[in-house]
Formats: sequence, structure tokens, C-alpha cells
Amino acid sequence: SQTIHQWPATLVQPVGSPLSLECTVEGTSNPNLYWYRQAAGRGLQLLFYSVGIGQISSEVPQNLSASRPQDRQFILSSKKLLLSDSGFYLCAWRHSTGELFFGEGSRLTVL
Amino acid sequence: ILNVEQSPQSLHVQEGDSTNFTCSFPSSNFYALHWYRWETAKSPEALFVMTLNGDEKKKGRISATLNTKEGYSYLYIKGSQPEDSATYLCAFGNNDMRFGAGTRLTVKP
Repeated sequence: SQTIHQWPATLVQPVGSPLSLECTVEGTSNPNLYWYRQAAGRGLQLLFYSVGIGQISSEVPQNLSASRPQDRQFILSSKKLLLSDSGFYLCAWRHSTGELFFGEGSRLTVL
Repeated sequence: ILNVEQSPQSLHVQEGDSTNFTCSFPSSNFYALHWYRWETAKSPEALFVMTLNGDEKKKGRISATLNTKEGYSYLYIKGSQPEDSATYLCAFGNNDMRFGAGTRLTVKP
């Protein structure tokens, strides 16, 4: 069966520090992968998606970036965090049925 | 950028009431419409994936309809129970699945 894991679960970082959130999927190959963010009081915003290794589509031209160095690994990064980067980050993969399966989430607080 | 709108933003009902929410989306270049339930302290879980105009899907007391020509989908919950309390999200798109802001449902015992 397929599983998805993301880490860390919680993170408190100072403004200007770097960020790395990691997501891995097991039990499937060449899945579509996604990063979403829920800011306080708001819905899920699509940040990045990837349809294959090295293929990243960006929806938000801000200080975040994503990489897919391996088929089942998706990384969200930032070189310098902003206060506005605080939020709940969710990684997801897309099943052949179309539905998305989400990781446990990573709560980022930027101080 | 495609906009997905959901209404109402929040809803409070009594146990046993039936209720429904709306998701509206651009009617051009339709590919798929998803419904998810997001309970507190958990990850969103898929309820339905809908791809055809006129689709009606049902899972227990929850059902959904789809009108791709006019760009809307309805989610219905029959006989609401306290365990139905959650945020219900719809998502629209192809590879780029975009979510609405959700409808937060609270069912009072």
C-alpha cells in the first residue's frame, strides 16, 4: 500500500533563516506531488506541483522553492524565511483515481 | 489563475438536520472536481472525485452532484451527526488541483 510522510511536524524558525521541509511517498512510482499551505484563517493554497523528477510548476513567485531530486521525494525550501511564511504546510500525492492523499502536515512558525 | 469559490464559509446545524454546500468553479476547460473532508488535527481525506457533467456520487449519508456547464457542485449531508463536523473542501483542476476556502460545518448534538 502507498504511504506518504512529511517532516518535521513542527518548526519554529527566526525571520531570515533557511527552511527545508521534506516529503516522501512509498508504494507508488512517478506520482504527481504537491505542496500546499494553509495560512491562518485561510484555505489551502497551491504552492508547487510536480509531474516528474526535476519538473516543478510554481504557483507563487515568492521566496519559496521546491525540488524533486528523486521520483518519490519532494522538498520545499527557502533561503530566507519571512513572517508571512508561517502556516501549515501539506504535501500530497495523486493516486491514479485522481484523488489526493495528504501527509501529516508541517506547522511552521516564523518569529 | 482559476478561482474556486465555496459557500457558505461556515454552517451550524442541529443533529439530524440535512444540509448542503456549494462549490463554484470556472466552467471552461473542466477536468475534475474533488470534495475532501478535513477534520481538526487530521489531514484532508477525499470524499469524491467527479469528472462528468451530471455526475452524482454517494457515500453513506453524503452525496454530491456536478454541473460542469454552469460551473458548480453541491455536497449534501443527510441527517447530520456530530462526527460530520469538519471543514469540507472542494478542489478543481487537472495537474494543478486548486482548493476553495472550505465550508466549516459544526453539528450540535
